[in-house]
Amino acid sequence: GQQVMQIPQYQHVQEGEDFTTYCNSSTTLSNIQWYKQRPGGHPVFLIQLVKSGEVKKQKRLTFQFGEAKKNSSLHITATQTTDVGTYFCAGPTSGTYKYIFGTGTRLKVLA
Amino acid sequence: DVKVTQSSRYLVKRTGEKVFLECVQDMDHENMFWYRQDPGLGLRLIYFSYDVKMKEKGDIPEGYSVSREKKERFSLILESASTNQTSMYLCASSYGTGGSYEQYFGPGTRLTVT
Repeated sequence: GQQVMQIPQYQHVQEGEDFTTYCNSSTTLSNIQWYKQRPGGHPVFLIQLVKSGEVKKQKRLTFQFGEAKKNSSLHITATQTTDVGTYFCAGPTSGTYKYIFGTGTRLKVLA
Repeated sequence: DVKVTQSSRYLVKRTGEKVFLECVQDMDHENMFWYRQDPGLGLRLIYFSYDVKMKEKGDIPEGYSVSREKKERFSLILESASTNQTSMYLCASSYGTGGSYEQYFGPGTRLTVT
């Protein structure tokens, strides 16, 4: 069946360092979503990418959708302690309303 | 703001009990979802509903059932709770029949089955 894999599973960075998480799907996606879950919280939607090769920025966060629409990345420039949490990507199952979530990347930022 | 509420933040039940988890959303969303979240496994879809009285199985429906009698309410039922159903349960809702809309999550219910 369709799978969405995320790497790395964990990442510890010093405050001010950059961070990147990668998301890979076994099938082509019509769109991809990214969510952030703070410790003890629930996932919160960050962004949705739809077009092949699309790049979107939110302040220090840069999201990219691959040309083949099978992979995506989230890059954070100059991490801050407020970036701590788990970042999930999610892609829709073809022809349905179901989204498959990646396993997530847990980011820890050391001050 | 969209609000998704879940009936309990923490719940402790005994093996074999019937458990009801309730979820209510206030934004007239068509789609509603139940996930469970376990360390290292991410969010796994149990069931979802795209309309009142409509439901479809997700990836891990075994041992669960759902009910959607009203558009704003989606219930998850554990017919006979087992210890391997100890988990964090998250409800979510979204607009649209296309499924290409952001999901809004509730705060979650941490269920412990002893």
